[in-house]
Amino acid sequence: GDSVTQMEGPVTLSEEAFLTINCTYTATGYPSLFWYVQYPGEGLQLLLKATKADDKGSNKGFEATYRKETTSFHLEKGSVQVSDSAVYFCALPQNNNDMRFGAGTRLTVKP
Amino acid sequence: DARVTQTPRHKVTEMGQEVTMRCQPILGHNTVFWYRQTMMQGLELLAYFRNRAPLDDSGMPKDRFSAEMPDATLATLKIQPSEPRDSAVYFCASGLGQKDSPLHFGNGTRLTVT
Repeated sequence: GDSVTQMEGPVTLSEEAFLTINCTYTATGYPSLFWYVQYPGEGLQLLLKATKADDKGSNKGFEATYRKETTSFHLEKGSVQVSDSAVYFCALPQNNNDMRFGAGTRLTVKP
Repeated sequence: DARVTQTPRHKVTEMGQEVTMRCQPILGHNTVFWYRQTMMQGLELLAYFRNRAPLDDSGMPKDRFSAEMPDATLATLKIQPSEPRDSAVYFCASGLGQKDSPLHFGNGTRLTVT
């Protein structure tokens, strides 16, 4: 079935550093792709999404571009803040509309 | 801002006891999912409902787990009897049932079985 693979981390960065979290997917067709974020003690929440090839999703300074040629949807942010410390999940929907999640990448940003 | 509400937030129980977790999905959402999150396994899908009908519960241990939607505003997940290996955070999520639509998660029930 369709699946996503993301780098597991953990990732530790200093404030204002550049962030990349890799995500690649395997899918039949061209599904929408999502990034979710989970802050401590909370459920997952949508961070951004892209619905077709070459689309760029963006939110809160984060961006990800849906690249069909490399089957990737890497998450980037130019300058991370301490408040970005969280776990990030790449995801794609299944045929039954269930969301298949990656393993999650824990990001810690130090001041 | 509409939210998925889960109760209780925390539950500590002894092995062998029944545990019931509740979820109120967002009004108007027609799909409801139960996930379990552990450090070792990550996020696992336990059960999935569409229009209150169970569509997939293949991820759920059938001998002890059951999931129901008695009405559109309530989903329940029961464990009877509970075991220490059930200790995890259980999340409910709801959605519009479309592939481009995201899931909306509650804040979870942290279950500890001693």
